This record gives sequence, C-alpha cells and structure tokens, in this order.
Amino acid sequence: QSVLTQPPSASGTPGQKITISCSGSSSNVATNTVSWYRQLPGTAPKLLIYSDDQRPSGVPDRFSGSKSGASASLVISGLQSEDEADYFCASWDDGRNGPYAFGTGTKVTVV
Amino acid sequence: EVQLVQSGAEVKKPGESLKISCKGSGYRFTSYWIGWMRQMPGKGLENMGIIHPSDSETRYSPSFQGQVTISVDKSINTAYLQLTSLKASDTAMYYCARLSEDGSETWFDPWGQGTLVTVSS
Repeated sequence: QSVLTQPPSASGTPGQKITISCSGSSSNVATNTVSWYRQLPGTAPKLLIYSDDQRPSGVPDRFSGSKSGASASLVISGLQSEDEADYFCASWDDGRNGPYAFGTGTKVTVV
Repeated sequence: EVQLVQSGAEVKKPGESLKISCKGSGYRFTSYWIGWMRQMPGKGLENMGIIHPSDSETRYSPSFQGQVTISVDKSINTAYLQLTSLKASDTAMYYCARLSEDGSETWFDPWGQGTLVTVSS
C-alpha cells in the first residue's frame, strides 16, 4: 500500500501550469529526499526529478520539484499533450513502511 | 548505457511458483542496490524490497516480508524475485530498478521494462 498521498487526478489545457502534491511524514519526506517518476501508458516509470528538485539530463526545465517539511510538489509548466501520464513521488522511509515509499499516483490529463 | 533487462511475461496457475530475473549492464553491478516494485492492474507502485549485490544484504518491505524472496547472482549481474504459492491477486506488473545514491539522497534509475505476471486457472 502507498504511504505517500497524492491527488488522484490533475488536469489542464496546453500551456497551463499544474501542481501535484505529495504528502508524507517524519519517517520519509520530512527527513529524506523526494524523487518523481512519470509513467506513460503501457511503459515503465521513468525518473523525472531526484533529490527534491534536480532534473536528470534530458528532462525539460518545465518540470520542477520542491519540498517543504513533509510535503513535496511537482510543477509542470507549459503543459503539453505528451505530458498525459501517471506521476508518482517516492522517498526512502526510515520507519515501518520502509525501505522505500511511493505515492498513490496522480493521473494528469491534458484537456 | 546503463540498463536493466527483465525476463519475459509469465502465465501461471494458482499454487505454482516463479522466478523473475533482472540483468544489469553498463555499470558496476555490485555498487548499487536493486529494488523490486509491484504494480497491480490500474494501481500504484509498491516497493517490495531491495538487495545489494555485493553481499546480498536484503531489506524487505513489511508488506512483502515472508511472501517473496529477493536474491542475486553477482557473477552474472542478475537479481531475482521469487514468488511462491501464487494466487490470482499476484497478477501484476513487476519492475526492478537501480537505487542510485548520493550520500543520503536516493532515487530509482534506471528501471527495467517490467515483467507481467498473470495467475489464472
């Protein structure tokens, strides 16, 4: 079962900015870094953001991450149709839900 | 290129067992933890556990402890996930991924392509 809470869905029109939240606790997000993954339909997840706010090479700068306390956020600026996917946050968990906790996932729709 | 390649899709009957493989290439296999994740149909990702190939140290998620076995053969750069006494509820996509680290900062990258397991009578 997922330990980190995300909204089940988010939507926007092309060019808009959307924000996806990820709520955790003192054993995970508050004390460990957060990573974000994008999963296009029928494919494996792919790293989007690591260490709270770092983008791997090849990831456009319209994707950004941030964290405050036990909550993290992923912002997609300039939404594009190809951004329709599922997005998951994740963090190491030092508590009973370890070793690694994933978010519940957010389905992004571009309308 | 750093890559993880998983074994192919499996169709099993209830009660049977199976072992999924995940072969790493393009990096020093013994330097990074490998994690296994389950994704049930239409659901999110769940970490089942992680293993370090250098010494086979394994950490299981409490939800999967005793239900699955994670192992590794470092001589062939391959990690394994074993499921026994399969049930219909084990039907899922299973992914392996490399756990990258920078000090205390961790993330999974890259991921294997996934292995679909279908359990049906």
